[in-house]
Amino acid sequence: KAGVTQTPRYLIKTRGQQVTLSCSPISGHRSVSWYQQTPGQGLQFLFEYFSETQRNKGNFPGRFSGRQFSNSRSEMNVSTLELGDSALYLCASSLEGRSGYTFGSGTRLTVV
Amino acid sequence: AQKVTQAQTEISVVEKEDVTLDCVYETRDTTYYLFWYKQPPSGELVFLIRRNSFDEQNEISGRYSWNFQKSTSSFNFTITASQVVDSAVYFCALSEENSGYALNFGKGTSLLVTP
Repeated sequence: KAGVTQTPRYLIKTRGQQVTLSCSPISGHRSVSWYQQTPGQGLQFLFEYFSETQRNKGNFPGRFSGRQFSNSRSEMNVSTLELGDSALYLCASSLEGRSGYTFGSGTRLTVV
Repeated sequence: AQKVTQAQTEISVVEKEDVTLDCVYETRDTTYYLFWYKQPPSGELVFLIRRNSFDEQNEISGRYSWNFQKSTSSFNFTITASQVVDSAVYFCALSEENSGYALNFGKGTSLLVTP
């Protein structure tokens, strides 16, 4: 059974640009969550989508948004990039949130 | 306020030593879940264990064991006879009903096992 796939693995963007990250969950999993990992703040929850609806949201500015498609694939978008957005972005899929999460390898975003 | 505290930032042991990673959590929910994840240098978070708040039974899986004590709000993780491949950052996480079951991670403990 294929794991959680995130693309791309690495990304370099310039301040002010926008970026879209993609996540394909494990087949059959309807919940997709996104986390940001930085050396200073650690791992922080961004948002969760379940059956194409945002079900839960962390404490991030509106520049961070996401969506989920009917096949459960999810995208995360960050607009007007700032240097502080440089991080490892991890996607996690789950059958149902509380049942446990399987993470992808992440997308490492560098903003210059 | 930090809901999950991993007081040990870095631990270094020699191969075959036993090592315990501490995790203390804070919650007012009666229904919650606790997790341990391992993050090797590749970056992927690898699931190790999940425990719910109603199950205080300790668990052993091979060289890994977990001690969950609600009385002290702790969920400690022990690796017996450590190996070099155990070197990684280990995260403890709390998932609460009140927070929609989002994972609230500790800061992690970096474990280095040397030959």
